[in-house]
Amino acid sequence: NAGVTQTPKFQVLKTGQSMTLQCAQDMNHEYMSWYRQDPGMGLRLIHYSVGAGITDQGEVPNGYNVSRSTTEDFPLRLLSAAPSQTSVYFCASSYAAPGQGSSPLHFGNGTRLTVT
Amino acid sequence: GENVEQHPSTLSVQEGDSAVIKCTYSDSASNYFPWYKQELGKGPQLIIDIRSNVGEKKDQRIAVTLNKTAKHFSLHITETQPEDSAVYFCAASQGAQKLVFGQGTRLTINP
Repeated sequence: NAGVTQTPKFQVLKTGQSMTLQCAQDMNHEYMSWYRQDPGMGLRLIHYSVGAGITDQGEVPNGYNVSRSTTEDFPLRLLSAAPSQTSVYFCASSYAAPGQGSSPLHFGNGTRLTVT
Repeated sequence: GENVEQHPSTLSVQEGDSAVIKCTYSDSASNYFPWYKQELGKGPQLIIDIRSNVGEKKDQRIAVTLNKTAKHFSLHITETQPEDSAVYFCAASQGAQKLVFGQGTRLTINP
C-alpha cells in the first residue's frame, strides 16, 4: 500500500512549456485534490474531484487543467507554464469528501516546480 | 467563501514547555476543523481534528479547542519534544467538499 504517489519530485520548466504532474493513489479513495503551497500562504486548493468523471475548481484554478478518468489517477496539467506557478504541489485523497469529517486527507510528498 | 487566519507564523519554545497555535475562521457554517503537521520534505499529515458539536478533544500530548461563538480554534501541545518541530496547519471545512487551510506555523523546539 503505497498511499498517494506523486511524480516527478522536482521539475524545472521554461516559461510557456507544458507538463503534467502525476498523482496516483491505491487506497480506493473517491475524493482527490491538488493544492499548491507557497511561503506565507498555506495550502491553496487548485482543483478537486469527488469521483471518476467529476472535477471542480478550487480557490486558484487558473492556468491548470485536471481530468479524472479512473479512481486511482488525478493528473494536473500546466498548459503554458508561468513564473507565478513556481510552487510546491501536493496531491491529496480521502475516502469521502473532507468537509464531511469522516475520513482524513492523505497527502503525497509533493512536486517542487520551478518555472524560469 | 471560507477564510482561515492562523497565528503565529513562527513559534519557538523550550523543550518541555507548551505550545499554542490559534486559528480563526469566517464561515459560521463550517463544521469540521482538522490540524495537520508537515515535516521537512513531506506532505502534511493529520494529527487531530474536531467537529463543531464538540468543544475540546485530546490525544495524549495534543489537544484542540473550539469556540464556535467566537469562530476560533486552537492547537495545544504539552511537554514539547524535539520531534514536535515542524510546520503546523489548521483548516476549516467549506461545504462538504473543500478544506480551507491557514497560512501555517513553523514550530521550533529548543533543547
